[in-house]
Amino acid sequence: KQEVTQIPAALSVPEGENLVLNCSFTDSAIYNLQWFRQDPGKGLTSLLLIQSSQREQTSGRLNASLDKSSGRSTLYIAASQPGDSATYLCAVRNTGGFKTIFGAGTRLFVKA
Amino acid sequence: GAVVSQHPSWVICKSGTSVKIECRSLDFQATTMFWYRQFPKQSLMLMATSNEGSKATYEQGVEKDKFLINHASLTLSTLTVTSAHPEDSSFYICSATEGLEETQYFGPGTRLLVL
Repeated sequence: KQEVTQIPAALSVPEGENLVLNCSFTDSAIYNLQWFRQDPGKGLTSLLLIQSSQREQTSGRLNASLDKSSGRSTLYIAASQPGDSATYLCAVRNTGGFKTIFGAGTRLFVKA
Repeated sequence: GAVVSQHPSWVICKSGTSVKIECRSLDFQATTMFWYRQFPKQSLMLMATSNEGSKATYEQGVEKDKFLINHASLTLSTLTVTSAHPEDSSFYICSATEGLEETQYFGPGTRLLVL
């Protein structure tokens, strides 16, 4: 059974700092891995999608990497801004059944 | 990009009533839709997978008679919470995909509050 873990559960950083969010999964038979942002009381905003054959994806200040063999993904945020404050969710889509399993999220607070 | 909508965006109802939530794919045909729920300060949990024209597949621990799912067309799936109780209060999110191997797109969610 796939399990997705995100570390840390919460993070507070000063504006301008570079930071890394971690995601680990137990079953390497994944179809893809996706990072989402969720603002309080809101739905999901897709940030980056990495297919199982890919190693990383980049969008602006965001870079996500994927290491299937070790069951890890990282989301790197450069030059953080107060507007980046949100909960970041890692979601793994399995090849069997194509179900998506979400991590518990990392709550990020960027201080101005 | 592909858009998935949900209606209503929020609903408040009395305990014992039934509530229907719609999930629509606006610019593509969704052969498969997924329903999730999210309790406060928790992550999303998959409730069920619905395929157009067939019965939904429910995850372990999800009561199929309480959470009725209908996927009658390629652009619409509905989730009906029957005889809702306060513990059913949650954020319900759907996602849709053209095919299991295609990208899934998430709806904006429906917040349900049962009094």
